[in-house]
Amino acid sequence: EEQLVESGGGLVQPGGSLRVSCEASGFIFSDYWMSWVRQAPGEGLEWVATIVQDGSEKYYVDSVKGRFTISRDNAKNSLYLQMNSLRADDTAVYYCARDDLGFWGQGTLVTVSS
Amino acid sequence: QAGLTQPPSVSKGLRQTATLTCTGNSNNVANQGAVWLQQHRGHPPKLLFYRNNSRPSGISERFSASRSGKTASLTINGLQPEDESDYYCSAWDTSVNGWVFGGGTKLAVL
Repeated sequence: EEQLVESGGGLVQPGGSLRVSCEASGFIFSDYWMSWVRQAPGEGLEWVATIVQDGSEKYYVDSVKGRFTISRDNAKNSLYLQMNSLRADDTAVYYCARDDLGFWGQGTLVTVSS
Repeated sequence: QAGLTQPPSVSKGLRQTATLTCTGNSNNVANQGAVWLQQHRGHPPKLLFYRNNSRPSGISERFSASRSGKTASLTINGLQPEDESDYYCSAWDTSVNGWVFGGGTKLAVL
């Protein structure tokens, strides 16, 4: 069974850092682009970042450039999002999604608040 | 990064047909196609259609997708109570090298 399982969310103070992870199983992880998409409470979906299969290309939404870093470890079937200099408007459920948004994890909630 | 345009809400009666629209531009919908996602409250999004308008296995044939120029459309025939949900479109945008989303359409089945 194909699965994407996010972890690492939690409460962090403004200016703080957090790393969220996404572990894949049931498919060949290294064959796919992977993305992070977030959803603020009561709001719509917002793309955050995408990484190609071998990690050589990474793309970010303007609002997180210089603060967030997407990475992957194909040997561990895992995707990561390192988030630094967090702000209140980064509060959201963070989902990992495969390829053309064809498969999603359950999400992990990141709350930025003092 | 500008997003795609979707009507915020659509209301239709049981067993009627609903058509949801999604408008972008030549950098996204017109040349890359759009994906359609369904999201029930408290759940992650689920893919309804790939960008080539093909349906993943398990998606009801009551759902269909099409595209004309910069506008993509999702049609749901024979509306059922379980179709009441939020629907999002998205497309890869070659001008920003990223996914752009519509604001979502809340479909009410009366």
